[in-house]
Amino acid sequence: NAGVTQTPKFQVLKTGQSMTLQCAQDMNHEYMSWYRQDPGMGLRLIHYSVGAGITDQGEVPNGYNVSRSTTEDFPLRLLSAAPSQTSVYFCASSRDQAGEKLFFGSGTQLSVL
Amino acid sequence: GESVGLHLPTLSVQEGDNSIINCAYSNSASDYFIWYKQESGKGPQFIIDIRSNMDKRQGQRVTVLLNKTVKHLSLQIAATQPGDSAVYFCAERTDSWGKLQFGAGTQVVVTP
Repeated sequence: NAGVTQTPKFQVLKTGQSMTLQCAQDMNHEYMSWYRQDPGMGLRLIHYSVGAGITDQGEVPNGYNVSRSTTEDFPLRLLSAAPSQTSVYFCASSRDQAGEKLFFGSGTQLSVL
Repeated sequence: GESVGLHLPTLSVQEGDNSIINCAYSNSASDYFIWYKQESGKGPQFIIDIRSNMDKRQGQRVTVLLNKTVKHLSLQIAATQPGDSAVYFCAERTDSWGKLQFGAGTQVVVTP
């Protein structure tokens, strides 16, 4: 099992560009989520999904879209990148819908210039 | 120690000593708590969890204590090793849909 796989590991964007951060898990987990991590602020929830076809907003959803067409994949889309979205992004999944024992990916370092 | 959503303190521990990392959580209705370890450049890694109907839970070299009266959570690491150097996060589950509220983290530095 590869666990939770995130691509790319690093990305530089210009303000206004769009891109998709990919996340895939091979553990057949129903629950998946996206977090961003900023210095001194811990991890903040962007969006989450409790199963294919079901998504909901977290704490900081503005500027991001998600979809969940399959159990395995949960991509995060930045519609029009802003410098405030410079951060490290983590995807996580868990077997339990209630988000217990989250498995995290290795992260995507995103810089928006 | 740390409070959910605030600054990142540092705990310096001598190798072989026990470490205690503290966390103050905010929501008295939270029913589940979890500790993560994050090494530099990596994603958070699960350490141990505890439900609100428990006061203490032990794992391998780690113990989590929960005091609901004062909304306090702690992680104890026995015989701290250099490989324990990392940032440690506590998190509380704030609703039934699995939303986790993370603390800002505590940097643990193990010195020889």
